[in-house]
Amino acid sequence: SAVISQKPSRDICQRGTSLTIQCQVDSQVTMMFWYRQQPGQSLTLIATANQGSEATYESGFVIDKFPISRPNLTFSTLTVSNMSPEDSSIYLCSVEDLIIGGRQETQYFGPGTRLLVL
Amino acid sequence: KQEVTQIPAALSVPEGENLVLNCSFTDSAIYNLQWFRQDPGKGLTSLLLIQSSQREQTSGRLNASLDKSSGRSTLYIAASQPGDSATYLCAVRSLGTSGSRLTFGEGTQLTVNP
Repeated sequence: SAVISQKPSRDICQRGTSLTIQCQVDSQVTMMFWYRQQPGQSLTLIATANQGSEATYESGFVIDKFPISRPNLTFSTLTVSNMSPEDSSIYLCSVEDLIIGGRQETQYFGPGTRLLVL
Repeated sequence: KQEVTQIPAALSVPEGENLVLNCSFTDSAIYNLQWFRQDPGKGLTSLLLIQSSQREQTSGRLNASLDKSSGRSTLYIAASQPGDSATYLCAVRSLGTSGSRLTFGEGTQLTVNP
């Protein structure tokens, strides 16, 4: 299994500012993802972080608002830009490994970053 | 588009009771199904993964079943304990427009009372 850490674990930010969340994995992984979990709701995929290229965003999410970096196979960042109170959520980093034969393995999640925007 | 529904949304039981959480999905063309546990304000912990070719998986007091043709999965928790109190999420992996996609249900919030 993969061990994932995220920084910061929580933050309180002012409207209009930006916050960068870091995700570190203890092993090289093929796929890394960023999810958002708004209060009382389930998880929504923001984007797939691609190593060495631009992230792939889901419908409703754009690079200007959520720029993502993935410089190597163990690290990624998500920035929440020009924040508003509606961005208050838990942001979760997730990884998976493709096993031989192409079948997806268990997906693992980081502890999350709790963001409150005032 | 895959949709995942979990019933009930919340469940409160006395300690020691056996219980079943339900998950249904609309598109049966799935790769696998995964059950997670989430404690308040925390990330997700993977409990069980069932591949599409499997019928069930067991881990300790937990047993998950999969009926792909009917689009259903259940998570059975035996002899529940207060430490089992958490939100349980079901997630289905299926093929999306840009690769495989994990779709989550909204979860069942379980409270086990001492």
